[in-house]
Amino acid sequence: GNSVTQMEGPVTLSEEAFLTINCTYTATGYPSLFWYVQYPGEGLQLLLKATKADDKGSNKGFEATYRKETTSFHLEKGSVQVSDSAVYFCALTSNSGYALNFGKGTSLLVTP
Amino acid sequence: DTGVSQDPRHKITKRGQNVTFRCDPISEHNRLYWYRQTLGQGPEFLTYFQNEAQLEKSRLLSDRFSAERPKGSFSTLEIQRTEQGDSAMYLCASSFVGQQETQYFGPGTRLLVL
Repeated sequence: GNSVTQMEGPVTLSEEAFLTINCTYTATGYPSLFWYVQYPGEGLQLLLKATKADDKGSNKGFEATYRKETTSFHLEKGSVQVSDSAVYFCALTSNSGYALNFGKGTSLLVTP
Repeated sequence: DTGVSQDPRHKITKRGQNVTFRCDPISEHNRLYWYRQTLGQGPEFLTYFQNEAQLEKSRLLSDRFSAERPKGSFSTLEIQRTEQGDSAMYLCASSFVGQQETQYFGPGTRLLVL
């Protein structure tokens, strides 16, 4: 079935550094792709999404582009802040189109 | 609207006991999903409802698990004869049928089976 693989963490960056978290997918058909974020002690929140090839999702300075040719949806941010410290999950819609299949998550720690 | 709510937030039980969790979705959302998340892993899909109909179940949902959504609003997830391997965070999400629907997650119920 549809699945994602994301880079393992933890990732530690200094404030204002550039962030990339890699996510690649395997899928049949045309899944939608998502990045969710889980801040410490909080629930999962949708960060951004893209529903078709070449779409770019963006929110709060984060961006990810749906690349069909490389089956990727890498998350980027030009300048991270301490408040971005969280666990980031890449996900895609399942073969049925309803459920989400998640990666294992990448923990990000941003230090002052 | 305050989003998806789940109750209880934490549950400790002894092996062999039954537990029931409740999820209240966002009011206009007609799809409701249950996921399970263990430490260090991403959420894993368990089941989903459209209105009151349970339309898909994962093979993770053993016969000790049952979910209902009797009136198409709130949902319950029951685990019978709990085992230590059931210890996890149980997440509920809801969405509205339509283009580019997005699943909104609740805070989860953390279950510990002793």
